[in-house]
Amino acid sequence: DIQMTQSPSILSASVGDRVTITCRASQSISSWLAWYQQKPGKAPMYLIYKASGLESGVPSRFSGSGSGTEFTLTISSLQPDDFATYYCQQYHSYPYTFGQGTKLDIK
Amino acid sequence: EVQLVQSGAEVKKPGESLKISCKGSGYRFTSYWIGWVRQMPGKGLEWMGIIYPGDSDRSVYSLSFQGQVTMSADKSTSTAYLQWRSLKASDTAIYYCARRSSSSESHAFDIWGQGTTVTVSS
Repeated sequence: DIQMTQSPSILSASVGDRVTITCRASQSISSWLAWYQQKPGKAPMYLIYKASGLESGVPSRFSGSGSGTEFTLTISSLQPDDFATYYCQQYHSYPYTFGQGTKLDIK
Repeated sequence: EVQLVQSGAEVKKPGESLKISCKGSGYRFTSYWIGWVRQMPGKGLEWMGIIYPGDSDRSVYSLSFQGQVTMSADKSTSTAYLQWRSLKASDTAIYYCARRSSSSESHAFDIWGQGTTVTVSS
């Protein structure tokens, strides 16, 4: 199985900050990576596909980049609604494994 | 509206069987893969497996879950199922179904059910 490792596990930030979350794959996955946002008690929400494609309806302050084994999710200016847990997922090969999550909380 | 609606919370005893459901609406159910994701209390997301309702013989299980659960689908009711023959306390979790995108650029999960909480306790 491909292992996905996110860092940091917890990120404390303030409204208006620019934040970056990193996701590393144990082998090359080309650009076959998605990002999700999950709020407490809710199902995950799809944000980004193919490493950098913004899903329809997702605010433009979210962006993704990377290819191969290293990827990032950046939020350009944090809004109160962005405090949540973020997961990366590879869909290069089955099983389509997730990272362990990064919890973004208010500083 | 495209949506997946899951069955309600379950409380079971170890050794009991269980089948939870995920009903799709607002799209052609047989044309999209449906996956299952486990989230244990306070933990992250785990990819369990995926099934193609258009041909239920087409399914893929994570090795971690193979033999522990069974996925199935009923085209006539646009419903996918996840079942256990003998539950363990360690099966306590929220289980999400999710639709896999049909885009050539993405096999990620674009639509999610609301989750079914399964509690296994004696």
